[in-house]
Formats: sequence, C-alpha cells, structure tokens
Amino acid sequence: NAGVTQTPKFQVLKTGQSMTLQCAQDMNHEYMSWYRQDPGMGLRLIHYSVGAGITDQGEVPNGYNVSRSTTEDFPLRLLSAAPSQTSVYFCATLKNRGQRVQYFGPGTRLTVT
Amino acid sequence: AQSVSQHNHHVILSEAASLELGCNYSYGGTVNLFWYVQYPGQHLQLLLKYFSGDPLVKGIKGFEAEFIKSKFSFNLRKPSVQWSDTAEYFCAVTLENTGKLIFGQGTTLQVKP
Repeated sequence: NAGVTQTPKFQVLKTGQSMTLQCAQDMNHEYMSWYRQDPGMGLRLIHYSVGAGITDQGEVPNGYNVSRSTTEDFPLRLLSAAPSQTSVYFCATLKNRGQRVQYFGPGTRLTVT
Repeated sequence: AQSVSQHNHHVILSEAASLELGCNYSYGGTVNLFWYVQYPGQHLQLLLKYFSGDPLVKGIKGFEAEFIKSKFSFNLRKPSVQWSDTAEYFCAVTLENTGKLIFGQGTTLQVKP
C-alpha cells in the first residue's frame, strides 16, 4: 500500500494562476481532509470529506475548492492563487468518523509570487 | 470555538536535558488527544495518543504525555532528550466522532549536541 500520496511536492505559482493539488489514498478510508501549515499557526483545516460526493468547509476554506468523486481521490483547487496561500499543504485520511488516528501525506510546498 | 494552545513556541535544550512541552485545549466534552512530530523535511508522524483509561500514555522514542482533565492539559515529556529529537511538535485534539483535528501552534525543539 502506498498510503497517502500527494503531488506535486513543490510548486511555484504566480498570483492569479490556478492549480490543483492532488491527494490519493489506497486504504479505502472514508474521511479525507486538507490542512495548511503556516509558521506559528500549526495546521489549519481547509476542507474535508466524509465520503464520496460529500464535502464540507473547515476553518480556512476561502480561496479553495474541493470535490470528492471517488473514495480514493480528494483534489484541492486554487482558482486564483494569492501570496497568502503560500504554505505547506497536507492531506490526511481517516478510516471513518468513528476511528481516531489520521494518516498524513508527505505534503506539498506551494509558493505564490 | 474549540482551540488548542501550546505554551512554548521555541525550546532549546542540551542533550540529556529533560523536556516538557505544555498543551491546553478548550472544550468541555469528550476529546481525543494527540502529539504529532515533524522532523526536518519530513511529514507528520504520530508520537502518541490518548483516548481513555490511564491518563499517562507512552509513545515512541521514550516520549510520554499526561492527560489532566481538570486542567484541560496534555503535556508532553521526555526525561532525556537527544539531538535526534530536534523537530517541531504539535498537540492536537479531536472532538469525539467528528474526525476533525484541531492543532496547536506547534513548538520547535532544538537539541544541542
């Protein structure tokens, strides 16, 4: 099992550009989420999904879109990148809401200039 | 709103010194508590967790944490740190059955050889 994979590892965007961060898991976990990590602020929840076809907003959803068409994939879209979105992005999965331990991907470091 | 607070943002210790990192959370209901570690250039790893039972929990690499319900605290301890413990440490909380992780701001630990 590959666990949780994220692509790309690094990305540089110009302000206004769009892109999609990919997250995939092969553990058949129902619950997937996106966090961003910023210095001095820990990790903050952007969006999450409790199953295919179901998504909801987290703490900092503005500027990001998500969809969950399959159990395996949970892409994060930046429609018009801003410098404030420079961050490290982590995808995490949870088998189901009753489980307690989340598994994190390796992260994507995004710089918006 | 629920929150997690880590008191120490940057800690510098010499090898063999004892470590205690503070973590407090604000929520009156049932919580699950975690400490994650992020070594330089790596992604998050689970250090230890508390769900119920004995409030003193032991994790990997000699770390332990004590849950004190009356103080809403979950402090991380290690009797003797090593240079390889240099990393960023995050305290996190999930409200039972929600699947959402709420992170503290993180503490950067630097251990001098």
